[in-house]
Amino acid sequence: SSELTQDPAVSVALGQTVRITCQGDSLRSYYASWYQQKPGQAPVLVIYGKNNRPSGIPDRFSGSSSGNTASLTITGAQAEDEADYYCNSRDSSGNHLGVFGGGTKLTVL
Amino acid sequence: EVQLVESGGGLVKPGGSLRLSCAASGFTFSSYSMNWVRQAPGKGLEWVSSISSSSSYIYYADSVKGRFTISRDNAKNSLYLQMNSLRAEDTAVYYCAREVRDWGGSSWYGWFDPWGQGTLVTVSS
Repeated sequence: SSELTQDPAVSVALGQTVRITCQGDSLRSYYASWYQQKPGQAPVLVIYGKNNRPSGIPDRFSGSSSGNTASLTITGAQAEDEADYYCNSRDSSGNHLGVFGGGTKLTVL
Repeated sequence: EVQLVESGGGLVKPGGSLRLSCAASGFTFSSYSMNWVRQAPGKGLEWVSSISSSSSYIYYADSVKGRFTISRDNAKNSLYLQMNSLRAEDTAVYYCAREVRDWGGSSWYGWFDPWGQGTLVTVSS
């Protein structure tokens, strides 16, 4: 398998911009997807592919990638964005989506 | 509405077995790969297993290989996870998730959407 590394915790002031990063060798070859998880709830997809948002995800969420790093940016963070965020990508074998980052706890101050 | 509903979780003793089910609705189940992902209490997400649309390709995390078996019944729109030789460290909420793929350049990329609400498996004596 391979590994994806995320900062354990990030904070942002209400209305400001925050970037959550995910690092891993597999990201040089494959796009990451991003998931938001609030306490007691199932994860929800927020970004996939180059920079695609599912229906219902606010446009303040965006994704980007450079080298071995994928990023999730929230422009104008809201109180309801406080959650855990996980990145995911293909395993180094390339056969499945078997790698998650350790997650980033986002606090909106 | 695209929906996944897990069932079958519960309390089981170490060494015991449990079978999880995931009922799919609102989409053509037989066209998608499906996955199980788990989350231990207070921990992050851990991918467990995946199965292709026709069951031709099956993969497992090293942590469950040889103990867990993923399967599906496309006629019943259902995904399963047979868990044997359960250990305390298997205690987690188990989610089923649909895998969606697209092509970017020369390779595919994928994502999980939607996820079920999860079912809790507790392994304890």
